[in-house]
Amino acid sequence: DTEVTQTPKHLVMGMTNKKSLKCEQHMGHRAMYWYKQKAKKPPELMFVYSYEKLSINESVPSRFSPECPNSSLLNLHLHALQPEDSALYLCASSPLAVISYNEQFFGPGTRLTVL
Amino acid sequence: AQSVAQPEDQVNVAEGNPLTVKCTYSVSGNPYLFWYVQYPNRGLQFLLKYITGDNLVKGSYGFEAEFNKSQTSFHLKKPSALVSDSALYFCAVRGGSGGYQKVTFGTGTKLQVIP
Repeated sequence: DTEVTQTPKHLVMGMTNKKSLKCEQHMGHRAMYWYKQKAKKPPELMFVYSYEKLSINESVPSRFSPECPNSSLLNLHLHALQPEDSALYLCASSPLAVISYNEQFFGPGTRLTVL
Repeated sequence: AQSVAQPEDQVNVAEGNPLTVKCTYSVSGNPYLFWYVQYPNRGLQFLLKYITGDNLVKGSYGFEAEFNKSQTSFHLKKPSALVSDSALYFCAVRGGSGGYQKVTFGTGTKLQVIP
């Protein structure tokens, strides 16, 4: 299985809602990533998990809260978001975070709209 | 600091003609270079990478890329374009100087293949 899956595909939420994005991979990868992508822009790194521990937080606002319950799952908890947080949220994985020549495997993304 | 430049926002090419999407980079240490493709409302899909060795790298779907150290370039090429190649292409670089090295993406080039 060489696939990264993400649910839901689309999410519309109000600024006071709490929701979660989910990501799953079964490739045995020990590095998982969250990216945010605005239309026609490159992905922006948000978080890196290495061996289920948060290793990189790219100064992301606390209204985004990542969680890695086990080596296959990655969640992104959302609370009190702003309309400017509307974007495509991409999850990715790679065998190891510190091996620079490993490519990343991306999921299809969750299209988030904040009203 | 590392950086990637994709000088063309859009490249138009007729179906059956050769295509080139340009990329130049700046990084300290050994460069690890990647090309990803993104179809509308989808995640990024890995095409090919340069680690070391042969300067001509072959990848998925008939794409190839040429690493040129003196010009710090890694242009993506295909001998004969297909309409289905129309998508957004991202060049990316990671440094190899140890520890976690963030992936830096270029701004993307939209490839339009005209029937």
